[in-house]
Amino acid sequence: NAGVTQTPKFQVLKTGQSMTLQCAQDMNHNSMYWYRQDPGMGLRLIYYSASEGTTDKGEVPNGYNVSRLNKREFSLRLESAAPSQTSVYFCASSEGGGVSTDTQYFGPGTRLTVL
Amino acid sequence: GNSVTQMEGPVTLSEEAFLTINCTYTATGYPSLFWYVQYPGEGLQLLLKATKADDKGSNKGFEATYRKETTSFHLEKGSVQVSDSAVYFCALRSRTGANNLFFGTGTRLTVIP
Repeated sequence: NAGVTQTPKFQVLKTGQSMTLQCAQDMNHNSMYWYRQDPGMGLRLIYYSASEGTTDKGEVPNGYNVSRLNKREFSLRLESAAPSQTSVYFCASSEGGGVSTDTQYFGPGTRLTVL
Repeated sequence: GNSVTQMEGPVTLSEEAFLTINCTYTATGYPSLFWYVQYPGEGLQLLLKATKADDKGSNKGFEATYRKETTSFHLEKGSVQVSDSAVYFCALRSRTGANNLFFGTGTRLTVIP
């Protein structure tokens, strides 16, 4: 039982390049999330998927796209990377359904640097 | 709107000292409250949670009580260890709207022997 896995762990891009961050969970969770972590700002939500087949924008969606490929996988794509997207990206999952006890579980993160 | 304000760091303590990290929140309705911990080079791990007023979450010697009257969820531990050195995040999840978490900025704790 691996929980939430993310690939790659580290990535360096040049401005304008594209890439996809992969995330998978094996807990049969309905909801999945992408956050970015920047110094002094905590984590901020980029996109989320409440259930398979649905995606919605979070607090900072500009410059990103997502795909909920199936119940297990939720990918984040940067079409044209910019230095402002240098950050640590975390994927998370939860059972969802709006229950009060819903808890999010996080992956180990991807450290992305855009030059 | 929803927001979390937590104590600025960094915090440096000697082993066996008492720890308090303050956290206050603003939310619509009655949120669920969480403390997450991030050890160096790792992702976030759930430390404890509370889902209604006066609930006390506890784990690994850490405790936090959901105080609706003061909109607070302060983290405490009676005797810290070197292994507790990490960044601690307070977070809330609203019962309305999206299911995402709103995080504080994090407090870095360093425990010295």
